[in-house]
Amino acid sequence: KNEVEQSPQNLTAQEGEFITINCSYSVGISALHWLQQHPGGGIVSLFMLSSGKKKHGRLIATINIQEKHSSLHITASHPRDSAVYICAVIMYSGGGADGLTFGKGTHLIIQP
Amino acid sequence: DTGVSQDPRHKITKRGQNVTFRCDPISEHNRLYWYRQTLGQGPEFLTYFQNEAQLEKSRLLSDRFSAERPKGSFSTLEIQRTEQGDSAMYLCASSLAATGELFFGEGSRLTVL
Repeated sequence: KNEVEQSPQNLTAQEGEFITINCSYSVGISALHWLQQHPGGGIVSLFMLSSGKKKHGRLIATINIQEKHSSLHITASHPRDSAVYICAVIMYSGGGADGLTFGKGTHLIIQP
Repeated sequence: DTGVSQDPRHKITKRGQNVTFRCDPISEHNRLYWYRQTLGQGPEFLTYFQNEAQLEKSRLLSDRFSAERPKGSFSTLEIQRTEQGDSAMYLCASSLAATGELFFGEGSRLTVL
């Protein structure tokens, strides 16, 4: 059973700090998603990646397939970045299985 | 609004009753997913469809749960004989198989008394 581990579980930082959230997983995957969830439930997909690095505004996501590890970085953090960030993987099962396996999320609070 | 919509947003029911949730995906998306999320936990995969075909079901989906996507557009998730442990947020997402990018609905929160 694939397990997706995120760290830290909770993170409080000051506005402007550089934020890193880590995700590790235990089996081969075909892709990894980083998701953002605000209070109330709405989930937004930030990135989907299977190799290398992607950047969107102040957000950067990297993945190392060999090390089974991904990181989400937030530069110049802002209070509006406060949310739960969730890592989710698509396992490479070879059998057509396509369901995502989710981490428990990292609860980020950015204080002004 | 052309995003993923779910209905109802909130449902309170008594134990033993049946409930049904509906998800309308983004119109051109051929994949549709159902997830369940309990407080403080990440979402858990329940099932997914490609067009009208249900391609995978999680072991979490007991025989009280059934999902359909009859015409390959909207989907329904029915829970029969609800139990208190069914209380959760039920999330729907859709994607194009070609791109894989997921778009989530706002969720349907179920409370079983």
